[in-house]
Amino acid sequence: DQQVKQNSPSLSVQEGRISILNCDYTNSMFDYFLWYKKYPAEGPTFLISISSIKDKNEDGRFTVFLNKSAKHLSLHIVPSQPGDSAVYFCAASGRGSSNTGKLIFGQGTTLQVKP
Amino acid sequence: GAVVSQHPSWVICKSGTSVKIECRSLDFQATTMFWYRQFPKQSLMLMATSNEGSKATYEQGVEKDKFLINHASLTLSTLTVTSAHPEDSSFYICSATHARDTQYFGPGTRLTVL
Repeated sequence: DQQVKQNSPSLSVQEGRISILNCDYTNSMFDYFLWYKKYPAEGPTFLISISSIKDKNEDGRFTVFLNKSAKHLSLHIVPSQPGDSAVYFCAASGRGSSNTGKLIFGQGTTLQVKP
Repeated sequence: GAVVSQHPSWVICKSGTSVKIECRSLDFQATTMFWYRQFPKQSLMLMATSNEGSKATYEQGVEKDKFLINHASLTLSTLTVTSAHPEDSSFYICSATHARDTQYFGPGTRLTVL
């Protein structure tokens, strides 16, 4: 059972435009969400996170939106740059009393930003 | 801050040998470390959760006798792949966290078993 889903395996955008990466989850116990960026043969790099008490978090060019009722989150990158080309993973965690900090990852979306 | 290192970055070994991979948090104390495995073009699969000074918690389907995890200090966890076989060839990644905060990942270790 895939609890965190990224239904778009790839996305291609033009430099300077907005990139929107989507993620859906099924477990209502998740209350902390993160986005990671990953290059081939490297470990993921933390980008941005959001707690379930918020619906938006912004950090520079990156903004994460959370829609709890739809169990959906998205990562907006604007303006997109060629260096943003990578695989993006969303991840979710439940921070309740029994939580171990374990993250559940989506399948990833490969973003290509064309010059 | 929040730097996690792994060693070695890649290793090639013969079938039947054991391989140890180290994961270190360089600038913070990691109460919990996680070990993941990634197959080509697939997501990260959590193998086990490791808390300092206690036994690791393995995910379903992961053989604890094959993948030995030791978390001896707040800055070091090791994963030993025992009696490695070609099907164990993969990209192994660790992450570290403090107080269930954001997980920071190491650069990964590419294991190839001949």
